[in-house]
Amino acid sequence: GQQVMQIPQYQHVQEGEDFTTYCNSSTTLSNIQWYKQRPGGHPVFLIQLVKSGEVKKQKRLTFQFGEAKKNSSLHITATQTTDVGTYFCALRRHGGATNKLIFGTGTLLAVQP
Amino acid sequence: DAGVIQSPRHEVTEMGQEVTLRCKPISGHDYLFWYRQTMMRGLELLIYFNNNVPIDDSGMPEDRFSAKMPNASFSTLKIQPSEPRDSAVYFCASSLSQTGELFFGEGSRLTVL
Repeated sequence: GQQVMQIPQYQHVQEGEDFTTYCNSSTTLSNIQWYKQRPGGHPVFLIQLVKSGEVKKQKRLTFQFGEAKKNSSLHITATQTTDVGTYFCALRRHGGATNKLIFGTGTLLAVQP
Repeated sequence: DAGVIQSPRHEVTEMGQEVTLRCKPISGHDYLFWYRQTMMRGLELLIYFNNNVPIDDSGMPEDRFSAKMPNASFSTLKIQPSEPRDSAVYFCASSLSQTGELFFGEGSRLTVL
């Protein structure tokens, strides 16, 4: 199948706690993107990582690309209720013949005020 | 600027009926993607186009599904005949470049009774 595993599938946190989701691939990736989908909404692009070991920050969000370009993580510091939603990684495999962007299974984040 | 526009937003139909979903990508975007989202299978890439030409349709479930892009500003996804298992949210997305971010429409929620 097309899916890429993300862990955990679901996480429930208290507001102010940290949150991390992981995306793993068995093959080397060309690049990886992260999207957020609010309940009832559509996926919205957050960031793209291209380089091995790359780390990018967006306010409370930290994105990391593994050294081997096979995994990635998204960490949210001090979650807020506005962080609620499903976070997806989306990847293109290195050397792929097409521009297929395959989405991960997603991590649903619930934040309790 | 208008984003990706999809219609209809909601469609309820009976098994066996033909369904046509429509998408207008962002002007100037050369790539158009059709995704399907269900709880069981997540976000699946069905087909994508580059400059109106279908590049990869390996995700199209079966012959009942067909997609066209007659010009740069319009695409359709047709299901004929529809079945209850086709019930899902169908997203259209467009991107400016081969490796760029995807801009999603708000989706078409299809229910086949």
